[in-house]
Amino acid sequence: ELKVEQNPLFLSMQEGKNYTIYCNYSTTSDRLYWYRQDPGKSLESLFVLLSNGAVKQEGRLMASLDTKARLSTLHITAAVHDLSATYFCAVAPGYSSASKIIFGSGTRLSIRP
Amino acid sequence: SQTIHQWPATLVQPVGSPLSLECTVEGTSNPNLYWYRQAAGRGLQLLFYSVGIGQISSEVPQNLSASRPQDRQFILSSKKLLLSDSGFYLCAWSAGPGGGYTFGSGTRLTVV
Repeated sequence: ELKVEQNPLFLSMQEGKNYTIYCNYSTTSDRLYWYRQDPGKSLESLFVLLSNGAVKQEGRLMASLDTKARLSTLHITAAVHDLSATYFCAVAPGYSSASKIIFGSGTRLSIRP
Repeated sequence: SQTIHQWPATLVQPVGSPLSLECTVEGTSNPNLYWYRQAAGRGLQLLFYSVGIGQISSEVPQNLSASRPQDRQFILSSKKLLLSDSGFYLCAWSAGPGGGYTFGSGTRLTVV
């Protein structure tokens, strides 16, 4: 059974600092997703990573995937308050024929001035 | 472009009452459809998914059920709600392997 673990679960950081959120998963996969959720809202897609070594960047966020290590990272550069939210990774079990994705517990990010 | 609709946005129901949540997708054909539940302050739990009309896969045994009567319609139901059914219910769709998963705006259900 696929298990997806994120850490840290909570992160409080100052504006301007850099930090990384980690997403580990337990079985083979070649598809990993990152989402953002604001309080009381639905999920917004950030990145779709489809191969080993994939790296995608959008603004101050950069995501990467290492399928051999079963690890994805979401790196935040020079954080700003607007990035405060809960971030989820999700993994599709097995290879590309899988239809479902399983979510990690989420990382609640709070960025203070 | 594709859009996903979910309603109602908020629902307060008494214990033992029935439930019907509806999700529809526009602008695509034969989508994969999903129901997730999120308890307060928690992650997302996959409840059901469907790869075609009448095809439902259940992930978690419980008193909920799902149906897909039409290609772009996915319904979550219960005959008798429990307090533990409270949560934020999210519908999602994907075009298939390799594609992204797009979520609806969600239904916040409170069972009292």
